[in-house]
Amino acid sequence: GQNIDQPTEMTATEGAIVQINCTYQTSGFNGLFWYQQHAGEAPTFLSYNVLDGLEEKGRFSSFLSRSKGYSYLLLKELQMKDSASYLCAATDSNYQLIWGAGTKLIIKP
Amino acid sequence: DTAVSQTPKYLVTQMGNDKSIKCEQNLGHDTMYWYKQDSKKFLKIMFSYNNKELIINETVPNRFSPKSPDKAHLNLHINSLELGDSAVYFCASSQGFAGGETQYFGPGTRLLVL
Repeated sequence: GQNIDQPTEMTATEGAIVQINCTYQTSGFNGLFWYQQHAGEAPTFLSYNVLDGLEEKGRFSSFLSRSKGYSYLLLKELQMKDSASYLCAATDSNYQLIWGAGTKLIIKP
Repeated sequence: DTAVSQTPKYLVTQMGNDKSIKCEQNLGHDTMYWYKQDSKKFLKIMFSYNNKELIINETVPNRFSPKSPDKAHLNLHINSLELGDSAVYFCASSQGFAGGETQYFGPGTRLLVL
């Protein structure tokens, strides 16, 4: 079956760095997305990886290892506004997005 | 300007009623989606249309019927509402449906069935 695993909840301190991991099992693979979802709002796009390696975009970076079925989202210099859920989603061979349940990130002062 | 809009934002109704949710995108995208997000926050794809044609139709009760009058609109009609239909329904759109296409989400419709 197809499956996305990510931690349910993480806590970090303002100004620190946090890494949110995601493992995936899909029938075929056409890339991995990270989305951010604030409470009561819609998911918004953060990053897309299709090749192995690290993609950096400001304070946020995303890493992919296709051979390991593994990705992580790295958030640096955490701010209170980064408190949100982070959703990992993998694209299968039919280009359908398979979504994880999301990791709720709590930032403490 | 709102890219993907949904109406209504909130919907409270009785079991057994029929209701519709409307979605419009002004991004010029070819592909639109309906998702259901339950209390556990899983986003589950329900339907996807590309250029008004149905391309994804997940295992969804046939009480749910999508309709795409044109590629900028994808509406969702739900018959005989049940308690378990209570959730947030998100509409989304993307340029196409091949890999790497970013999906843009509407603000969601919070449906509560009493």
